[in-house]
Amino acid sequence: NAGVMQNPRHLVRRRGQEARLRCSPMKGHSHVYWYRQLPEEGLKFMVYLQKENIIDESGMPKERFSAEFPKEGPSILRIQQVVRGDSAAYFCASSRTVTNEKLFFGSGTQLSVL
Amino acid sequence: GENVEQHPSTLSVQEGDSAVIKCTYSDSASNYFPWYKQELGKGPQLIIDIRSNVGEKKDQRIAVTLNKTAKHFSLHITETQPEDSAVYFCAASIFGDYKLSFGAGTTVTVRA
Repeated sequence: NAGVMQNPRHLVRRRGQEARLRCSPMKGHSHVYWYRQLPEEGLKFMVYLQKENIIDESGMPKERFSAEFPKEGPSILRIQQVVRGDSAAYFCASSRTVTNEKLFFGSGTQLSVL
Repeated sequence: GENVEQHPSTLSVQEGDSAVIKCTYSDSASNYFPWYKQELGKGPQLIIDIRSNVGEKKDQRIAVTLNKTAKHFSLHITETQPEDSAVYFCAASIFGDYKLSFGAGTTVTVRA
């Protein structure tokens, strides 16, 4: 039973480009959570999605960031016109029901903006 | 919102010694406190959690204690081994909610 799969593991973008981060939840999980980890900091909640719905995006910057979790396929975190301050590790977690208990995290995507 | 502070930021211990990491939280409504271990290049993995209806929980060499009055909780690792070297994060939340508020992490190095 595969865990939460994230790709790519590393992503390098130049300022102004777009970054697309993918997250495939564990089998049977329909709830996905994205967190961002800045250097020397803990993980910060960004957004919570269920299939085809954004439930809570209160932790996501209003500009340039968007997330989706379509009926088919992985969840996508999209960052438009990236800036150096977007450089961070982005983790997603999934669960079968809405919960914060025993979350399973993926290995993350390390985004570097040049 | 919840604010979690974690100390120390780095911790070096001799193999076989104990390691203690402390966290404080600000929101008295928080009642769920998990600890995650993050190894290099991997995502955080839950190692132990505690709810506010208990003061202590143990799982082999790791234990967590909670003081609700003082709003702090601690992770204790006994008989440390090299494989315990990692970054450890504490978190606080309301059980059943979907958000976790994480501390900044403690890098633990176990010296052989």
